Amino acid sequence: NAGVTQTPKFQVLKTGQSMTLQCAQDMNHEYMSWYRQDPGMGLRLIHYSVGAGITDQGEVPNGYNVSRSTTEDFPLRLLSAAPSQTSVYFCASSYAGLAGGGDEQFFGPGTRLTVL
Amino acid sequence: RKEVEQDPGPFNVPEGATVAFNCTYSNSASQSFFWYRQDCRKEPKLLMSVYSSGNEDGRFTAQLNRASQYISLLIRDSKLSDSATYLCAAPGGQFYFGTGTSLTVIP
Repeated sequence: NAGVTQTPKFQVLKTGQSMTLQCAQDMNHEYMSWYRQDPGMGLRLIHYSVGAGITDQGEVPNGYNVSRSTTEDFPLRLLSAAPSQTSVYFCASSYAGLAGGGDEQFFGPGTRLTVL
Repeated sequence: RKEVEQDPGPFNVPEGATVAFNCTYSNSASQSFFWYRQDCRKEPKLLMSVYSSGNEDGRFTAQLNRASQYISLLIRDSKLSDSATYLCAAPGGQFYFGTGTSLTVIP
């Protein structure tokens, strides 16, 4: 198994550009999520999905869109990049939904995004 | 109040020392808890899971106190290779992480 894969590993954008960060997992996990990590801020949840066709907002969803058309893929779209979106983005997946319980989350290697 | 809170440190300890980190959570319905290790510029990786009162794996012990709503991570006989950031996590509707505690083990 490849686990959780993310592309690209690095990206530089200009303000106003749009792009899609790709995330895929081959573990048949229902739950997938996107986090951004900034110095001193820890991991902040952007969007998450509890299964194909179902997505929901996390703590910091503004400026980002997601979709979940398949179990395997969970792309994150930046609509109009801003310097405040400069960050490291991690995609994660786990076997089951949460609702007070929860399974280990597996993380992808991250995408380092710089917006000029 | 944040869902999960950690002391960010940094903790600087000599080799061989014992160090403990605490993490408090606010959702009393959370049933499982996790400690992750994150090396610089890498993704977090699971260190330990805690489902009941505690869990031990070699030099690492994780404990859960439901009454006071905190989990702790104890590292005994610290090694240089233990230097990293340690994140606690508490699922509860969403998967919440603490901001992480930085540990540096000094020769």
